[in-house]
Amino acid sequence: QVQLVESGGGVVQPGKSLNLSCGASGFAFNTYAMHWVRQAPGRGPEWVAVTWFDGSHKFYAESVMGRFTISRDNSKRILYLQMNNLRGEDTGVYYCARGHQVVDVWGPGTTVIVSS
Amino acid sequence: QSALTQPPSASGSLGQSVTISCTGTSSDVGGYNYVSWYQQHPGKVPKLIISEVNKRPSGVPDRFSGSKSGNTASLTVSGLQAEDEADYYCSSYAGSRNLGVFGGGTKLTVL
Repeated sequence: QVQLVESGGGVVQPGKSLNLSCGASGFAFNTYAMHWVRQAPGRGPEWVAVTWFDGSHKFYAESVMGRFTISRDNSKRILYLQMNNLRGEDTGVYYCARGHQVVDVWGPGTTVIVSS
Repeated sequence: QSALTQPPSASGSLGQSVTISCTGTSSDVGGYNYVSWYQQHPGKVPKLIISEVNKRPSGVPDRFSGSKSGNTASLTVSGLQAEDEADYYCSSYAGSRNLGVFGGGTKLTVL
C-alpha cells in the first residue's frame, strides 16, 4: 500500500543542522510532487517546502528560505530535507506528504526539537 | 502568503449539522478549485477528508461535504457523531510556483 516514512529527527542545538529523510513505497514516486509539512506543538500545520516530481523546481516557506533545502532521489524513492542554522521556532513534527494540488498521503512524522 | 481564515471553534449536538468556513483571497481559494480539508485527532496525523473543493477520498463518510463561493470555502459535517470531534484545517493550492496555504484550524466540539 502507499506508504511514507520519515526519519532523522532528534534534539539539536540552535544553529546546528539536521537532515530528514522520507522513504516512499507503494506508488510511482517519480511522478508525484512531494512536500515537507511541519506542525509546531499546539499549532496548525505549515507547508515548508515542495519539489516537483523531477526535482526541477523547488519552493520554500519564507520562514525557512535560505536555511532549508528540499531534494529527492527518485532512483532510491527518497525525499530529503536538509535543515541548517536551526532555530527554536523550527521545533515540531515534520511530515513528508505526497502531491501538489492535492496532498493526499502523509507519513507518520518525525519530531525535531531545537533546544540548548 | 497569508493564512486562510477559519473560526477557531465550532460545535454542534449529536446528529446535527455544522459548517466551518475558510476564507482566502483570489490568489488561493478564489483562484483555484483545489481546496482541501484535513481532519486531525489529538496526536494523530492530519487526514484528507475533502479535496478539490468537494471530492471525498475513498472511505470518507458522505456526512462530510465541501463547497466554495468566491474566496470562501466551507466544510459541512452532517449527522454529527462523537468521533467527528477533532481539529479541522482547510488548505488551498496557490499556484505552481507557490506553496499552498493552510487555515489556522477549527476545533469542532460535539455536544
